[in-house]
Amino acid sequence: GQNIDQPTEMTATEGAIVQINCTYQTSGFNGLFWYQQHAGEAPTFLSYNVLDGLEEKGRFSSFLSRSKGYSYLLLKELQMKDSASYLCAVMDSNYQLIWGAGTKLIIKP
Amino acid sequence: DTAVSQTPKYLVTQMGNDKSIKCEQNLGHDTMYWYKQDSKKFLKIMFSYNNKELIINETVPNRFSPKSPDKAHLNLHINSLELGDSAVYFCASSQDHFSGANVLTFGAGSRLTVL
Repeated sequence: GQNIDQPTEMTATEGAIVQINCTYQTSGFNGLFWYQQHAGEAPTFLSYNVLDGLEEKGRFSSFLSRSKGYSYLLLKELQMKDSASYLCAVMDSNYQLIWGAGTKLIIKP
Repeated sequence: DTAVSQTPKYLVTQMGNDKSIKCEQNLGHDTMYWYKQDSKKFLKIMFSYNNKELIINETVPNRFSPKSPDKAHLNLHINSLELGDSAVYFCASSQDHFSGANVLTFGAGSRLTVL
């Protein structure tokens, strides 16, 4: 079956760096997405990786290793507003999005 | 100017009732989706339409029926509501389902509570 694994919850300190991991097993691969979802709100797109390597976008970076079925989202200079759930999703060979259950990130002052 | 708008935002109803949730997107996207997010926050795809044609129809009870009058609208009708239908329902749209960089834009969600 298809599977996305990510930690359920993580805690980090304001100003610090946190890395949220995602491992996947899917039928084919057409890209990996990270979305951010604040409590009570809709998910919003953060990043897309289809080739191996690091994609940097301001304080957020996303890394992909297709051979290892692995990605991470790196958040630098954490701010209180970064407290949210981070959803990893993989597009399989049929262009179906397979979603992880999300990682709830708690930022402490 | 809201990109993906869905109504109502909140819906509280009794078991056995029938209700509808409406969704509209003004992004000119070809594909629209309905997702269900339960209390454990897991996003589950229900339906997807590409240019008014049903392309994804996951295993959901046939009490749920989507309707797409045109590619900018995708409505969800639910018959004989059950307690387990309580969840947040998200509408979403994307440029084209059949492309790799298929970024979804979500509506604000409709929180359905069945009593």
